Amino acid sequence: GAGVSQTPSNKVTEKGKYVELRCDPISGHTALYWYRQSLGQGPEFLIYFQGTGAADDSGLPNDRFFAVRPEGSVSTLKIQRTERGDSAVYLCASSLLGHDTEAFFGQGTRLTVV
Amino acid sequence: SQQGEEDPQALSIQEGENATMNCSYKTSINNLQWYRQNSGRGLVHLILIRSNEREKHSGRLRVTLDTSKKSSSLLITASRAADTASYFCATEYSGGSNYKLTFGKGTLLTVNP
Repeated sequence: GAGVSQTPSNKVTEKGKYVELRCDPISGHTALYWYRQSLGQGPEFLIYFQGTGAADDSGLPNDRFFAVRPEGSVSTLKIQRTERGDSAVYLCASSLLGHDTEAFFGQGTRLTVV
Repeated sequence: SQQGEEDPQALSIQEGENATMNCSYKTSINNLQWYRQNSGRGLVHLILIRSNEREKHSGRLRVTLDTSKKSSSLLITASRAADTASYFCATEYSGGSNYKLTFGKGTLLTVNP
């Protein structure tokens, strides 16, 4: 596709449930990032993939959060035992490798935990 | 944690006026980028300025960078109602091979027709 695609665009889930958020990056982009944005805040870094491997997962808040990118393209962010505090917009971005490169963002998934 | 701080948090101007937003950051950077966000969803990249650059232009946008003060400014000239959005600065930390961005909290710009 022409841009970064994220699905679903909205997800409502009950507290304690498991959710998966999908990101389809721009073809050929080796770098993929997940960010989380709470209301009134800027995006906060969660995890960075370089190819298939997670090069930096220092932003994941706890072990309920996990992300994979098995073939170096599509990535899935997985959240176990969701809590109301996990409610936010989850943004995915992709870019070419290297410094000074533009990151292209998807439209995000708005996750609401009730 | 968020590295950057935008100032002001909110800005309301009339169409045709110029809008200036400022950003301060804390650590050494490779570059600083400005993004725009409508309605709290996807971010659109506006401009990237490298740490060895002092000023950059793109259409109606002018960005300056002062690494000695760890600050940047975004100027939008001749604003339009369609420029209404949140604007974020983001920095790429220079300490390693990670290219992740650290964002500020943003400036909400309202351009009144």
